[in-house]
Amino acid sequence: GQQVMQIPQYQHVQEGEDFTTYCNSSTTLSNIQWYKQRPGGHPVFLIQLVKSGEVKKQKRLTFQFGEAKKNSSLHITATQTTDVGTYFCAGLSNYGQNFVFGPGTRLSVLP
Amino acid sequence: KAGVTQTPRYLIKTRGQQVTLSCSPISGHRSVSWYQQTPGQGLQFLFEYFSETQRNKGNFPGRFSGRQFSNSRSEMNVSTLELGDSALYLCASSLRGPSSYNSPLHFGNGTRLTVT
Repeated sequence: GQQVMQIPQYQHVQEGEDFTTYCNSSTTLSNIQWYKQRPGGHPVFLIQLVKSGEVKKQKRLTFQFGEAKKNSSLHITATQTTDVGTYFCAGLSNYGQNFVFGPGTRLSVLP
Repeated sequence: KAGVTQTPRYLIKTRGQQVTLSCSPISGHRSVSWYQQTPGQGLQFLFEYFSETQRNKGNFPGRFSGRQFSNSRSEMNVSTLELGDSALYLCASSLRGPSSYNSPLHFGNGTRLTVT
């Protein structure tokens, strides 16, 4: 079945440094979504990417969808302590009906 | 607009017992999905209900079941609890339609189930 991997599993950064998490699917995706889960909280939807090569920005966050629609990345510029949490990608395959979540990347930001 | 509401927030059960978790979706959302979250396995899809019908199911044993009512509220039941069922159970509602699947998921705060 479809598998979604994310790297790194953990990332510790100093406040102000950049951060990137990568998401890779074993199958071609029709679209991909990103979620953020704060410690003790629940996943919150950030964005959805649909088109090959698509790039979307939300303030300091930049999301990319690969040309082959099998990978994606989330880049945070100049991290802040409010960025702490686990970032999940979730991919919907071309034949699938439910999103498959990656294992997440846990981000720690040291002040 | 009220968010997704899950009850109870915490549950402690003993092996062999059964448990029922409840989820009230955002008003207007007809799709309700359930996920199991554990530190080792991440977010695992259990099942999705749409208009009172289960239309997707993950790889979980038959001890895990669910249902959806006409007002879109959903319940999840786990019978014959095992220690490994200890997890955070998340419910998510969405505007996913009868043949569209790409709407965002809106998660509730979850039910933390501990099996002893």
